[in-house]
Amino acid sequence: EAQVTQNPRYLITVTGKKLTVTCSQNMNHEYMSWYRQDPGLGLRQIYYSMNVEVTDKGDVPEGYKVSRKEKRNFPLILESPSPNQTSLYFCASSLSGQPNSPLHFGNGTRLTVT
Amino acid sequence: TQLLEQSPQFLSIQEGENLTVYCNSSSVFSSLQWYRQEPGEGPVLLVTVVTGGEVKKLKRLTFQFGDARKDSSLHITAAQTGDTGLYLCAGGLGSNDYKLSFGAGTTVTVRA
Repeated sequence: EAQVTQNPRYLITVTGKKLTVTCSQNMNHEYMSWYRQDPGLGLRQIYYSMNVEVTDKGDVPEGYKVSRKEKRNFPLILESPSPNQTSLYFCASSLSGQPNSPLHFGNGTRLTVT
Repeated sequence: TQLLEQSPQFLSIQEGENLTVYCNSSSVFSSLQWYRQEPGEGPVLLVTVVTGGEVKKLKRLTFQFGDARKDSSLHITAAQTGDTGLYLCAGGLGSNDYKLSFGAGTTVTVRA
């Protein structure tokens, strides 16, 4: 089954404790992206990757890191999480990354930073 | 400030009624997508519109892209409880723009 898999689904951590949220897709998609979803703000893009070893900042990259060492994986790293990073995070992928290319989303990771 | 403004923010209707959700911007988009998101899941693509004035139908859902490609609407005829969800519009400014901007969404509740 074609899918984007994120882990974990829920994560509670404390300020400053490094964490990684994993994302994997099995559709051989070139493009992958991370979003955070907050009430009233919709989905905001954190980072995206157009291909292996090619990443770029989205609209809200501060406090986040990503890597794309393999085509299928695109982990999101929070080196020193803070409470304002409490949010619902989504990983997504698409064939080309162009605006008319459909995005396939994972089921989300709900992160709470205390 | 959101690049794409969606209205209304919340909508609650009775099963069988019609509804329309709007997505507006001052910017011109090369294409616009509509997604539906259910609780505990990621958004799922409903439709992509690319041509100004384009109308697409998906069963009881009708999507329209404005002539100037700055706005779009989603109309649901005879809503069912299964239509309940968060509806999101998303647009790209250029055909090679890899940044897709999302609206804040419209939460639709269809009551039985």
